[in-house]
Amino acid sequence: RKEVEQDPGPFNVPEGATVAFNCTYSNSASQSFFWYRQDCRKEPKLLMSVYSSGNEDGRFTAQLNRASQYISLLIRDSKLSDSATYLCVVNRAGGGADGLTFGKGTHLIIQP
Amino acid sequence: GAVVSQHPSRVICKSGTSVKIECRSLDFQATTMFWYRQFPKQSLMLMATSNEGSKATYEQGVEKDKFLINHASLTLSTLTVTSAHPEDSSFYICSAPRGRYEQYFGPGTRLTVT
Repeated sequence: RKEVEQDPGPFNVPEGATVAFNCTYSNSASQSFFWYRQDCRKEPKLLMSVYSSGNEDGRFTAQLNRASQYISLLIRDSKLSDSATYLCVVNRAGGGADGLTFGKGTHLIIQP
Repeated sequence: GAVVSQHPSRVICKSGTSVKIECRSLDFQATTMFWYRQFPKQSLMLMATSNEGSKATYEQGVEKDKFLINHASLTLSTLTVTSAHPEDSSFYICSAPRGRYEQYFGPGTRLTVT
């Protein structure tokens, strides 16, 4: 089983729609979870951290299910500028300043 | 503004030559930095952890003699790709942790070996 698995997509979604991505991770000792956004040929940028209680940042909502080792990202009222690759990211076991394990990413295309 | 810089942003070199990539934390100190590599349509893969004052820690399958890492100061880590070959062509990205969990990524270096 891969360490972090994501559906690669692409997800073609009309502007204004709601879209959800899922991700599973294999290392039950992981302590930190993130969603990063990566635009073509650019470095990844942190979109949001994912907390056990779930968290929301504007149109973005992240959920974590530790029992199922499952992370989700929901984007509401999608904009054209949301088109990007969304990376599910998990820290290495042990927490703290540690290397990150990236999923392959889910490619999202918002269509006008 | 950027908090981690990388130089150069793009480099083309001939097979057999060595290439040095610099990663700097701009307004904070980083005793640890990370080097990643991303091939087209692939995920970022951690190559090594750069440790200030001690040897780098390499991930399985990454040749330490080929990818030399030097953490020269609390704000600078360098990655040297020695005797580069076309299969080393990739997007190399560094990151530096700030605080307990947050990491900042450099803008990346696109290496093309001809």
